[in-house]
Amino acid sequence: DIQMTQSPSSLSASVGDRVTITCQASQDISNYLNWYQQKPGKAPKLLIYDASNLETGVPSRFSGSGSGTDFTFTISSLQPEDIATYYCQQYDNLSFTFGPGTKVDIK
Amino acid sequence: EVQLVESGGGLVKPGGSLRLSCAASGFTFSSYSMNWVRQAPGKGLEWVSSISSSSSYIYYADSVKGRFTISRDNAKNSLYLQMNSLRAEDTAVYYCAQSRTYGDYDYWGQGTLVTVSS
Repeated sequence: DIQMTQSPSSLSASVGDRVTITCQASQDISNYLNWYQQKPGKAPKLLIYDASNLETGVPSRFSGSGSGTDFTFTISSLQPEDIATYYCQQYDNLSFTFGPGTKVDIK
Repeated sequence: EVQLVESGGGLVKPGGSLRLSCAASGFTFSSYSMNWVRQAPGKGLEWVSSISSSSSYIYYADSVKGRFTISRDNAKNSLYLQMNSLRAEDTAVYYCAQSRTYGDYDYWGQGTLVTVSS
């Protein structure tokens, strides 16, 4: 099975800061990677699909990049409403695995 | 507007069974693959099972294979998860999610809580 790791597990940043989360797959998954945002008590929401494509309606401050085993998720200017846990998820070869999540809050 | 509404969760004893349902509206249900994803209390997300639009392809996580059965009724716009031989580690909020394309979970329901405890 493909394992996913994320770092950091949590971070605290100021409003307006650039925030970067990394996700690593245990083997090459091409660009078969999505990013989700989950706010407390709510269902997850798809933000980025196929590693770098912004889902319709998602603010442009969110972006993703990477391929193979190493991926990056960026919030260019952190906003108070971005407080959430962010998960990467791979979907290669009939295997669907989420990363452990990165909790983002405001400093 | 896409709506997914799960139901059927509750408290069940270890070894027991439960059937979850997900009522879909706002899209052509029969055209989309559907999924179940769960989240144990305070933990991360875990994919459970997926079913293609016509039920031709069905997949399960190893953790539930042989115990859970996913199914759908396109005439009723409904998705189901039959859960047997439940264990304490199956305790979680269970979400149904639509897949616009392979591997994407584009829309999610609000979830239904399953608690397995004696």
